[in-house]
Amino acid sequence: SQQGEEDPQALSIQEGENATMNCSYKTSINNLQWYRQNSGRGLVHLILIRSNEREKHSGRLRVTLDTSKKSSSLLITASRAADTASYFCATDLSTSGTYKYIFGTGTRLKVLA
Amino acid sequence: DTGVSQDPRHKITKRGQNVTFRCDPISEHNRLYWYRQTLGQGPEFLTYFQNEAQLEKSRLLSDRFSAERPKGSFSTLEIQRTEQGDSAMYLCASSSRQPNTEAFFGQGTRLTVV
Repeated sequence: SQQGEEDPQALSIQEGENATMNCSYKTSINNLQWYRQNSGRGLVHLILIRSNEREKHSGRLRVTLDTSKKSSSLLITASRAADTASYFCATDLSTSGTYKYIFGTGTRLKVLA
Repeated sequence: DTGVSQDPRHKITKRGQNVTFRCDPISEHNRLYWYRQTLGQGPEFLTYFQNEAQLEKSRLLSDRFSAERPKGSFSTLEIQRTEQGDSAMYLCASSSRQPNTEAFFGQGTRLTVV
């Protein structure tokens, strides 16, 4: 089964607005990574946050991590039509003796011009 | 281009045929992963290599699936006797062995079994 679940499953906003999507997971992690995927394409790495970090920024992206709640959020500020994509979180479980990344179900973001 | 490269990008095959996909990871990365993604779902883990050693396999990887990484560089994923349920995007990723480093994905191979 999937380790993570993103919420909401789909999000539609106007250009210029902020978009927030959440990821919950089940077990202890080493780090959590966020990816973007345009329709039918590969995954583009956005940001990695370590388990001992609480917040990280990259351009218009802000990621938070709450290990006590086993959750993370991705905030995209001042959204653009080009941000329309699916967004996935992936948890690194290497502290649990496995090397795989486990993906959530994704949030489909649509930014309307 | 020094990213992860996958070939082919698209493959249409008849049910029952064998197919093989190739992945060339980022050159200094010794970890390599295969994932499968169906429409509307997140990627599902298939298998993991560290150098040439296949260290982890998912239960999704039935005996019709085999993956190799013969010299610890490129990898191949073969599906024998393809079934319609094998239709999916097959994604390859690579990462450094250093802790807390990013995993980078290729553009994927989209398989359609008719």
